[in-house]
Amino acid sequence: ETGVTQSPTHLIKTRGQQVTLRCSSQSGHNTVSWYQQALGQGPQFIFQYYREEENGRGNFPPRFSGLQFPNYSSELNVNALELDDSALYLCASSLGGGRETQYFGPGTRLLVL
Amino acid sequence: AQSVTQPDIHITVSEGASLELRCNYSYGATPYLFWYVQSPGQGLQLLLKYFSGDTLVQGIKGFEAEFKRSQSSFNLRKPSVHWSDAAEYFCAQEQLYNQGGKLIFGQGTELSVKP
Repeated sequence: ETGVTQSPTHLIKTRGQQVTLRCSSQSGHNTVSWYQQALGQGPQFIFQYYREEENGRGNFPPRFSGLQFPNYSSELNVNALELDDSALYLCASSLGGGRETQYFGPGTRLLVL
Repeated sequence: AQSVTQPDIHITVSEGASLELRCNYSYGATPYLFWYVQSPGQGLQLLLKYFSGDTLVQGIKGFEAEFKRSQSSFNLRKPSVHWSDAAEYFCAQEQLYNQGGKLIFGQGTELSVKP
């Protein structure tokens, strides 16, 4: 059984650019959640995908968007990058949308210059 | 709004000493509570979780946590700390909605271990 994987591990972008982050869920899991962790803070919920549909969104602007594919892997897209988007982006997978343990990947470190 | 509070930003303990990390949650008659650990530059690893039942929960790496409804607390404990336990610890509560659930995290407690 493979765990949650994320790519790339690190990324440097400039303000205004667009970025796509990828996540492969743990085997058998149909739900993916994305979190943003700024330096020195706890993770903040961005959104959750359950069976390819967005199922819940945190307090993030529409330039944060996502997709979930039939194999339950997922992408996080961020448009018009801002300096404050610099953070560790964490993906978590679970078996179902609620009352299930979320297992996290290693994260993607994004730096916006 | 639902919130999770970890009052201690940084704790230092000596190797072999006992440890208690505090966590208070703000919402819910039947909370779903978690403790995760994060090593520098890494993702989050689940230590333990509480959904219902026995209020003393055992986790990995010798950690345990006790759910106290009267105090809205879910404190993490370890009887004897090892140098490898130095890391950031996050308490989280799941907020349920529709068919989903999101984790609300505390600010984290950084644990340093003295030799």
